[in-house]
Amino acid sequence: DQQVKQNSPSLSVQEGRISILNCDYTNSMFDYFLWYKKYPAEGPTFLISISSIKDKNEDGRFTVFLNKSAKHLSLHIVPSQPGDSAVYFCAALYQKVTFGTGTKLQVIP
Amino acid sequence: DTGVSQDPRHKITKRGQNVTFRCDPISEHNRLYWYRQTLGQGPEFLTYFQNEAQLEKSRLLSDRFSAERPKGSFSTLEIQRTEQGDSAMYLCASSLDPQQETQYFGPGTRLLVL
Repeated sequence: DQQVKQNSPSLSVQEGRISILNCDYTNSMFDYFLWYKKYPAEGPTFLISISSIKDKNEDGRFTVFLNKSAKHLSLHIVPSQPGDSAVYFCAALYQKVTFGTGTKLQVIP
Repeated sequence: DTGVSQDPRHKITKRGQNVTFRCDPISEHNRLYWYRQTLGQGPEFLTYFQNEAQLEKSRLLSDRFSAERPKGSFSTLEIQRTEQGDSAMYLCASSLDPQQETQYFGPGTRLLVL
């Protein structure tokens, strides 16, 4: 049972444009949601999180939106830069962290 | 460098051999987690420690797997009688309770069982 789903395995975006990565979840008990970025041969790096009691959290170029009624969250990266090219994992926390399968983002110069 | 470190970074072993991995968390972090990641998947939770106490184990952690954190600092993950299906990236992460949602990951140990 995949409780956290990232249905897009890959995404290509032009440099300077907005990248939108999506994530859906099924467990309404999750109380925190997180995004991690992973480069090849490295462990995931924490990017940004949002509490289940909020609907938006912003940190520089990164904004996470949470729609609890739809059990959906998204990560917006504006403007996208080539260095943002990586695999992005959505994750959710309730007692333990559950990760999605990842979306590979390619930002084209 | 005060991040999470893991050793070794790569391990190749023959089926049936035992392997042990080490994780050194960020020094002030009292929570330590082990995950396994296979190709095309996100990290899957295996187990976690709060200080030296192992508080939860996933059903993925068969009886061939054992983890310890004897002094509440570094941790080891041992796999006995390795099988080809154990081939994966083994990731360690740490966090500072109660901010457990912000976990910091090490670079991982890539295991290949031949």
